[in-house]
Amino acid sequence: GQSLEQPSEVTAVEGAIVQINCTYQTSGFYGLSWYQQHDGGAPTFLSYNALDGLEETGRFSSFLSRSDSYGYLLLQELQMKDSASYFCAVGSSGSARQLTFGSGTQLTVLP
Amino acid sequence: GAVVSQHPSRVICKSGTSVKIECRSLDFQATTMFWYRQFPKQSLMLMATSNEGSKATYEQGVEKDKFLINHASLTLSTLTVTSAHPEDSSFYICSAMRGGTGELFFGEGSRLTVL
Repeated sequence: GQSLEQPSEVTAVEGAIVQINCTYQTSGFYGLSWYQQHDGGAPTFLSYNALDGLEETGRFSSFLSRSDSYGYLLLQELQMKDSASYFCAVGSSGSARQLTFGSGTQLTVLP
Repeated sequence: GAVVSQHPSRVICKSGTSVKIECRSLDFQATTMFWYRQFPKQSLMLMATSNEGSKATYEQGVEKDKFLINHASLTLSTLTVTSAHPEDSSFYICSAMRGGTGELFFGEGSRLTVL
């Protein structure tokens, strides 16, 4: 089966940098994705790593180390609107798109 | 704009009634759609995988007779919560995979409240 662990809460101030870690255990690996979800909304895709290394998309970057079964999401120049839940997710065995989500990290950005 | 649309976004029903939620891919054909359920402050839990023209595959612990899934066309999947009870109150989210590219898109979600 699949299991993912990430911190439940992170707090930071505007303009800061925050890193949200994710460790996973999977029977088959089809890449690590990150999603953002605001209260009452649907998840929105942030990034995807299939190979080791860093992927950068604007203020957000994501890193993957397959040998360590570990990844992280890095958020730079934090803004108030970044306050949301962030989920890491892996493709379930047999399908890259059948996602298993982590428990989510609630990020609170303070002024 | 949204490429996957869910309807209704919110629904309130009485206990014992059935509720249908639609998930539509707006400008692409979705060979596979996924249905998730999310309780407050919790993660998204996969309920079932819906493949066009075939029976849905349900995750362990999800009652197939209670959560009926129909994927009759390449742009529409429906989830029907039958004989809903208050414990079925949740946020139901679908995602659709674009055939060919494998890109995955999420719907806006449907919040079900059963009184």
